Amino acid sequence: DGGITQSPKYLFRKEGQNVTLSCEQNLNHDAMYWYRQDPGQGLRLIYYSQIVNDFQKGDIAEGYSVSREKKESFPLTVTSAQKNPTAFYLCASKVANSNQPQHFGDGTRLSIL
Amino acid sequence: RKEVEQDPGPFNVPEGATVAFNCTYSNSASQSFFWYRQDCRKEPKLLMSVYSSGNEDGRFTAQLNRASQYISLLIRDSKLSDSATYLCVVNMRTGSARQLTFGSGTQLTVLP
Repeated sequence: DGGITQSPKYLFRKEGQNVTLSCEQNLNHDAMYWYRQDPGQGLRLIYYSQIVNDFQKGDIAEGYSVSREKKESFPLTVTSAQKNPTAFYLCASKVANSNQPQHFGDGTRLSIL
Repeated sequence: RKEVEQDPGPFNVPEGATVAFNCTYSNSASQSFFWYRQDCRKEPKLLMSVYSSGNEDGRFTAQLNRASQYISLLIRDSKLSDSATYLCVVNMRTGSARQLTFGSGTQLTVLP
């Protein structure tokens, strides 16, 4: 079955540590996205990528970094510069430059130790 | 002004009731529109796309009013399992890229 896989499901970060969240899709989608969701709030866009080896900052990119070396993969690194990383992180993908909807992975919950 | 605005609710309705959510968007050049459903601590899942002529899927009806820049979702004969947060999503053109903009969601609780 085609889909988007995020791992791990739960992640704990120590102070000053970088952590990387994985997102893999086998939907053959060019466009991939990372969102952050805080309790009771909507989704905020961190980074997005329309094509391999290219990505753009979203609304809240500070303290995060991404790479897009392969079409299937769009990992997100939460750096130590992100002072409030506790949130629910969602990865999504879609057909680029189309009116089609996004499909989401089942998310990673990140907490501070 | 937010690009996509929704009434956050919560909407608490009895089982069997009809409930409607509205959503307004700011960019008149918006291309496509969706309603997603998000259960507590889960990822958003596509409920339905919204077409210009309006569309229905079982108990759910979605409508688009481009002149007034709003979309709506009507749920008839609500079930306990309809309890969730409903996200309005608009596909806006931003520079050369198309990306979806999410509303903050409307929380629905269907009571027995």
